[in-house]
Amino acid sequence: EIVLTQSPDTLSLSPGERATLSCRASQSVSSNYLAWYQQKPGQAPKFIIYAASSRATGIPDRFSGSGSGTDFTLTISRLEPEDFAVYYCQHYGTSPPYTFGQGTKVEIK
Amino acid sequence: QVQLVQSGAEVKKPGASVTLSCKASGYTFTTFYIHWVRQAPGQGLEWMGMINPSGGSTRFAQRFQGRVALTRDTSTSTVYMDLNNLRSDDTAVYYCARGFYCSGGSCYARPLDYWGQGTLITVSS
Repeated sequence: EIVLTQSPDTLSLSPGERATLSCRASQSVSSNYLAWYQQKPGQAPKFIIYAASSRATGIPDRFSGSGSGTDFTLTISRLEPEDFAVYYCQHYGTSPPYTFGQGTKVEIK
Repeated sequence: QVQLVQSGAEVKKPGASVTLSCKASGYTFTTFYIHWVRQAPGQGLEWMGMINPSGGSTRFAQRFQGRVALTRDTSTSTVYMDLNNLRSDDTAVYYCARGFYCSGGSCYARPLDYWGQGTLITVSS
């Protein structure tokens, strides 16, 4: 089972600042099948990045993903008020279980 | 448009069973796996298992093996999750979501691109 560890647990930033979130896997993620989701209180998660670096349809280009193998990063270039949320990474490759990281909360400073 | 609509909230006693449903629309039901993910209050996301609506095959996270069953009804494009022997720590919001894509006998890894609205299951004596 692949264990995903996200850091930091909480990121306190102001609107307009850059957010850098990390997701580290306990073993290599096949074909970079790594996704990022955004979740706001009381809502279902929303899919934002797939294949480590591809944005989902309709996701603003201030969101970008990078990385390969075991180390992945989600970057939000300039935080907008609607970006404050919890972000999860997940691997979705060929072998279940398709575990999630524990989440990183991006909060307003 | 793609939609996954889940059944309503339920309150159950410890030891009981519950059946949740997830009705899909807006796409060909048999071409995408349906996954189930749960989230305990204030906690993160936990992947539980998935079903291939085409043939009905299932895979589960080890901790749910033997306690969770997934079935589907292709005539109504609905997936059902049965969770047995409920415990207080099963209290959570349960989500269904669309994942793997299958076509021409092959399946392709895909992220969970559409999610249901979630079903709150409360287990309390």
